[in-house]
Amino acid sequence: EVQLVEAGGGLVRPGGSLRLSCAASGFLFSTYNMNWVRQAPGKGLEWISYIRSGSIGISYADSVKGRFTISRDNAKNSLYLQMNSLRDEDTAVYYCARESQTFYAADVWGQGTTVTVSS
Amino acid sequence: EIVLTQSPGTLSLSPGDSATLSCRASQSVISSYLAWYQHKPGQAPRLLIYSTSSRATATPDRFSGSGSGTDFTLTISRLEPEDVAVYYCQHYGSSLFTFGPGTKVDIK
Repeated sequence: EVQLVEAGGGLVRPGGSLRLSCAASGFLFSTYNMNWVRQAPGKGLEWISYIRSGSIGISYADSVKGRFTISRDNAKNSLYLQMNSLRDEDTAVYYCARESQTFYAADVWGQGTTVTVSS
Repeated sequence: EIVLTQSPGTLSLSPGDSATLSCRASQSVISSYLAWYQHKPGQAPRLLIYSTSSRATATPDRFSGSGSGTDFTLTISRLEPEDVAVYYCQHYGSSLFTFGPGTKVDIK
């Protein structure tokens, strides 16, 4: 079964750091581009970061640029998001999502992990 | 940067009705780059439609997509209680995935 499972969410104080992970299974992870998407409480979906299959291409939304770092370990079938200098507005459910190899959309999503930034 | 707007914000219909959800882009987009997702509370978002009108795996044929240029539509025919969700259109471009604000579909 194709699956993505996020972990690492939790409660963190403003200015703190957190590292999210996304474990992939059921497909050849190393050949897929991957993304992080979040949803703040009461808000819509917001794409925040992208990494190509070979880690050569990386992109960030302006809202997290300079504070978040995306990475992957293809040997471990895992995607990561290092989040530093966290703000209240980073409170959200964070999803990892696989980009389809045949069309321009995210065809597999994880269930999400919740990050709460609060003092 | 392309901005997507969706209307209406909320749609409240009866079972069996047809729902028409609109997505408008701030500039003309390539049809291959427009997709629709369904998102239910507490669940992962689910890809419904890609390339404007192609159904993703397991998408019921009650869901159909259409449009071109700047105007795109998701139609849900024969609305069922399980269709209660927020529906997002998405564009793939230089800013990677850009999502619209969503349309919430409720059942009366």
